[in-house]
Amino acid sequence: AQKVTQAQTEISVVEKEDVTLDCVYETRDTTYYLFWYKQPPSGELVFLIRRNSFDEQNEISGRYSWNFQKSTSSFNFTITASQVVDSAVYFCALFNTGRRALTFGSGTRLQVQP
Amino acid sequence: GAVVSQHPSWVICKSGTSVKIECRSLDFQATTMFWYRQFPKQSLMLMATSNEGSKATYEQGVEKDKFLINHASLTLSTLTVTSAHPEDSSFYICSARGWDRTDRETQYFGPGTRLLVL
Repeated sequence: AQKVTQAQTEISVVEKEDVTLDCVYETRDTTYYLFWYKQPPSGELVFLIRRNSFDEQNEISGRYSWNFQKSTSSFNFTITASQVVDSAVYFCALFNTGRRALTFGSGTRLQVQP
Repeated sequence: GAVVSQHPSWVICKSGTSVKIECRSLDFQATTMFWYRQFPKQSLMLMATSNEGSKATYEQGVEKDKFLINHASLTLSTLTVTSAHPEDSSFYICSARGWDRTDRETQYFGPGTRLLVL
């Protein structure tokens, strides 16, 4: 069975603070893919990153960075110098190569205060 | 990049009526599309996997007679909520299976349809 856990339901920070969103996953697959999506109030999902299980290199894209730790089954997402526009719900998701479908975590609502 | 559209973007209907939601892949062919449902402040839950030319595969707990899925072409899948009731009010999101620029399988999401049943 596959499972994605985002233990933080809601996080509130003040602008310019750094914030880390946690994601822990469970899978029996040896090959899998992990994703992060942003869902602003409009509802449309915005793709942020995809990582495959064989690539444990951390990635940085502007103010965003991701830390993939296979040993702890975690794929955490950090926003540096947060901005009000970062306010949204963030979902971590796991792609099952067998069923070829995404399993989403429960999401973390990030509120960035000015 | 690949684009997926949904129509309508929002719909309000009376209890007992049926509502059809369309999902289209605009610039690519999608043999497989997925339908998700998202209740307020909750996660996306996969309802069914729709395959072109064959019957949809429904997730456990999803009533296939209530949520009719038709995937008659490579660019269109429809979800019909039959005899809708207030508890069916939700945000319905479709996605289409495609391949990105590096030829990796991925899912492209539509903008979602908000359904309110009165």
